[in-house]
Amino acid sequence: DVKVTQSSRYLVKRTGEKVFLECVQDMDHENMFWYRQDPGLGLRLIYFSYDVKMKEKGDIPEGYSVSREKKERFSLILESASTNQTSMYLCASGRQEHNEKLFFGSGTQLSVL
Amino acid sequence: LAKTTQPISMDSYEGQEVNITCSHNNIATNDYITWYQQFPSQGPRFIIQGYKTKVTNEVASLFIPADRKSSTLSLPRVSLSDTAVYYCLVGDSFSGGGADGLTFGKGTHLIIQP
Repeated sequence: DVKVTQSSRYLVKRTGEKVFLECVQDMDHENMFWYRQDPGLGLRLIYFSYDVKMKEKGDIPEGYSVSREKKERFSLILESASTNQTSMYLCASGRQEHNEKLFFGSGTQLSVL
Repeated sequence: LAKTTQPISMDSYEGQEVNITCSHNNIATNDYITWYQQFPSQGPRFIIQGYKTKVTNEVASLFIPADRKSSTLSLPRVSLSDTAVYYCLVGDSFSGGGADGLTFGKGTHLIIQP
């Protein structure tokens, strides 16, 4: 089975801290994605990557950056965390084929105080 | 980017068939329709995907009319464990550029009662 692993299930940080959320997939997928999920707003795409060192902005990239140095790992970075970034963060991966399905991790619930 | 519209919530009872309809009036020729299911505290998981007519797997059926401007996810004989959020996505997925097919929206919260 495909496994997408997010490094932390719960994370508590303070305003202004630099936060790293890590995601690793074990299926050699080319594509990786970061979403955030908030009550009443559904899942919103932050950034995605279709190759090592490549990245593309999603719908809500402001306040975030990403890093993809290795194919299996995709990191989401909050340079200076703010309270409005408190959310559930979901990582996903998928093959680079037409309409290939996405596989999601279990999510990281981030609280910024 | 094809936009989808789904009901915010639905209720049903165990043993019933549940149909969730998704509208996508501006679907493009190359777009596929994909449905995901999400349980609380978990990431979404793929249920079914189709392009036209009918697709069936061990979990659900997907009905797509000829004009492809809507689709209906059908869950046969639901149980309490089918309570979840269901998302309809429309797009050409992803092949090196663009994010069509990756917009989840708010989904439909399906509640199954005993």
